[in-house]
Amino acid sequence: GAVVSQHPSRVICKSGTSVKIECRSLDFQATTMFWYRQFPKKSLMLMATSNEGSKATYEQGVEKDKFLINHASLTLSTLTVTSAHPEDSSFYICSARDRQHYTEAFFGQGTRLTVV
Amino acid sequence: KQEVTQIPAALSVPEGENLVLNCSFTDSAIYNLQWFRQDPGKGLTSLLLIQSSQREQTSGRLNASLDKSSGRSTLYIAASQPGDSATYLCAVSAQAGTALIFGKGTTLSVSS
Repeated sequence: GAVVSQHPSRVICKSGTSVKIECRSLDFQATTMFWYRQFPKKSLMLMATSNEGSKATYEQGVEKDKFLINHASLTLSTLTVTSAHPEDSSFYICSARDRQHYTEAFFGQGTRLTVV
Repeated sequence: KQEVTQIPAALSVPEGENLVLNCSFTDSAIYNLQWFRQDPGKGLTSLLLIQSSQREQTSGRLNASLDKSSGRSTLYIAASQPGDSATYLCAVSAQAGTALIFGKGTTLSVSS
């Protein structure tokens, strides 16, 4: 299957700082990428839909000024957690669909963010 | 609003058993359904994808069925092995290219 690379896999940052997470589709072009957040023993919750060349669409309750999403190319989307707080600590995971075939969704390895 | 439910939340079986994981969704108007495996602290590995027009898909010891009209899918694992221990997630998408809606998963433990 197609490969989605997410970096970093794990990051620890201090409260008040910003953290950028990258999501790359390595062998296909992704017009749309999705960002999810997963709490312990909970389901993956969709945060936002990232569209190449346009503004992201955020789900209800997700602060767009806190979770900045940029989709600058067909293979790269970034999520920046701004002014991070301990409650932002979570597992963040991205997903991408092949623009040619909108069937299967492929996921990155996830990023474990810990804010201290 | 689509909701996905997975039963049971956790399951422990001895090695060699056949088992069934259940997934139900409230809105039958889906585009496709995917089953994933997630190991602790890791990302998702796609196991099987079933299009809305399909009834089942098979890959090795895994078989997934879909009854779209009743809003149900099952994942059958034959001859379970300790390496199958993981959390299994079911997810549906409403249209081509849209986000997946996930269930909470079933955590499987297979003992040797």
